Amino acid sequence: DGGITQSPKYLFRKEGQNVTLSCEQNLNHDAMYWYRQDPGQGLRLIYYSQIVNDFQKGDIAEGYSVSREKKESFPLTVTSAQKNPTAFYLCASSISGGWVYNEQFFGPGTRLTVL
Amino acid sequence: AQSVSQHNHHVILSEAASLELGCNYSYGGTVNLFWYVQYPGQHLQLLLKYFSGDPLVKGIKGFEAEFIKSKFSFNLRKPSVQWSDTAEYFCAVNGVGKKTSYDKVIFGPGTSLSVIP
Repeated sequence: DGGITQSPKYLFRKEGQNVTLSCEQNLNHDAMYWYRQDPGQGLRLIYYSQIVNDFQKGDIAEGYSVSREKKESFPLTVTSAQKNPTAFYLCASSISGGWVYNEQFFGPGTRLTVL
Repeated sequence: AQSVSQHNHHVILSEAASLELGCNYSYGGTVNLFWYVQYPGQHLQLLLKYFSGDPLVKGIKGFEAEFIKSKFSFNLRKPSVQWSDTAEYFCAVNGVGKKTSYDKVIFGPGTSLSVIP
């Protein structure tokens, strides 16, 4: 089955710790994205990558970091610098990085809770 | 800056009732418009999209949306809802500007729909 997988589904971390969220896709898509979903705020773009070995900051990149060493993988690290990390994180991909005419496909999400 | 608003945070309907979810955006130029749906426990998925042409677009599961440019609106409709339509619905807008970089999609805050059997 083609699709996007995110792991883990639920993640708990202590304040001050970095944590990495996994995102893998087998759709052969060039572009990948990370969003944060908070109640009443919709989805906000954290980082995006239009091609391997390249990525750009989105609207709320502070306190986050990413890498794109492989086409299939786009892990997101939530660092201790992120002031309010508790949220639902969604990964997405699209055929190419040009948004027009390219539907984004979403993973199941990871719910991160900072204790 | 672009923004998207959705009229209702939570809508409760009985089965067979008609549905209309409001969506308004702020952007002065050409836009691409989307409605996404997130069923309980499932991935966010595309319901329908508008790029150009007929402003009345039809999506999956009997949903349709109408783009009214003069009102900056893209309301979602369904004539008769079912219990299985219970989900969260997100309107999204992509402002089509000068293609110098990736044009981001801006999502609305979402509307939670509960359909009572």
